[in-house]
Amino acid sequence: DADVTQTPRNRITKTGKRIMLECSQTKGHDRMYWYRQDPGLGLRLIYYSFDVKDINKGEISDGYSVSRQAQAKFSLSLESAIPNQTALYFCATSDTGGSYNEQFFGPGTRLTVL
Amino acid sequence: GDSVTQMEGPVTLSEEAFLTINCTYTATGYPSLFWYVQYPGEGLQLLLKATKADDKGSNKGFEATYRKETTSFHLEKGSVQVSDSAVYFCALTSNQAGTALIFGKGTTLSVSS
Repeated sequence: DADVTQTPRNRITKTGKRIMLECSQTKGHDRMYWYRQDPGLGLRLIYYSFDVKDINKGEISDGYSVSRQAQAKFSLSLESAIPNQTALYFCATSDTGGSYNEQFFGPGTRLTVL
Repeated sequence: GDSVTQMEGPVTLSEEAFLTINCTYTATGYPSLFWYVQYPGEGLQLLLKATKADDKGSNKGFEATYRKETTSFHLEKGSVQVSDSAVYFCALTSNQAGTALIFGKGTTLSVSS
């Protein structure tokens, strides 16, 4: 079984709809992250969380919100989706205190907003 | 702020050719440096890493050396294979973002037989 899972893997929605992307991990890591990937732009950080009570905005948090329901679960919501939120979204985890901060990525969710 | 700049692709090579993908960075403090690889249709996988100056990361025939004096972390492989075709991302830990990763824009490598 994959250590970091994301659901759904693909989603097509319409402008103005509320969308939730879910991420679960079995690695026992405290830190979780949401990134979006756009062609030619690499990955950009949306939100990150160091534990259930710690949520922080990343570079591009506008239009998004997150919820850390448990150590293992970190959800990303688009309150009112717009077409320029069409992208590939990745969840990642890392261990606390590791000097390498190696991050482990989920398989991604491809979101299309029409 | 912290940033990563890597050479733009696509890079097209024949099998067994030598590969270099340049990566330079700007950062406060002493970040750790990474190369991630994304195969078609998949998520990102860590390829190699280095945590301090002069460290060399290596994996699957790929190497990169952390050069503080030139703020670089270039990726090299002596003989590429068709199976190396993927997108490669250089990244660093950002002290400004709670140790989240700052990524370069990615370099697409295409290897033909």
